[in-house]
Amino acid sequence: LAKTTQPISMDSYEGQEVNITCSHNNIATNDYITWYQQFPSQGPRFIIQGYKTKVTNEVASLFIPADRKSSTLSLPRVSLSDTAVYYCLVEGYSTLTFGKGTMLLVSP
Amino acid sequence: DARVTQTPRHKVTEMGQEVTMRCQPILGHNTVFWYRQTMMQGLELLAYFRNRAPLDDSGMPKDRFSAEMPDATLATLKIQPSEPRDSAVYFCASGLGAGADEQYFGPGTRLTVT
Repeated sequence: LAKTTQPISMDSYEGQEVNITCSHNNIATNDYITWYQQFPSQGPRFIIQGYKTKVTNEVASLFIPADRKSSTLSLPRVSLSDTAVYYCLVEGYSTLTFGKGTMLLVSP
Repeated sequence: DARVTQTPRHKVTEMGQEVTMRCQPILGHNTVFWYRQTMMQGLELLAYFRNRAPLDDSGMPKDRFSAEMPDATLATLKIQPSEPRDSAVYFCASGLGAGADEQYFGPGTRLTVT
């Protein structure tokens, strides 16, 4: 099973770009990388998913190097409402491994 | 706005009692996941189903936990007998079942076993 490792916490200020990296050294060929956001007392919410190179949507970008052993979630110009826990998930047809999550605190 | 629903939202029970948590996946989704979340362990996958068939329940303590899908609109997670260490938030999520697809999480059931 692909184990994932993320920083426990990160701090940032409003308007800055935040990059959260997840390592997944044992990722399998068919696995995808997905990131979720979780606010207190809520279930996680999908942010972005990718397999390789770069994926961008309206809220974030996901960078995956060629060896796919890590991935970086990039949040442009964060706001106070981006304060949450961010989870990296390695997901295959029959495997799911969530990281422990990164607590992002955005300050004014 | 389609959502995953879970009942009850909160449950307090005494050790040894049976606990049943229910989940209604989003209509049309054929993959259902059960997770447990604690401060110490984070999010742990307990079991998941595709087309109502269990695909993986290796994360679930078999002696006391059981997960079923009686029909496509209902998934249940039972704990019998419950223990204080089972206190956690239990999340259900559903997806379209296309391999690595987006999971839609419910609001969770907060279980406290005294």
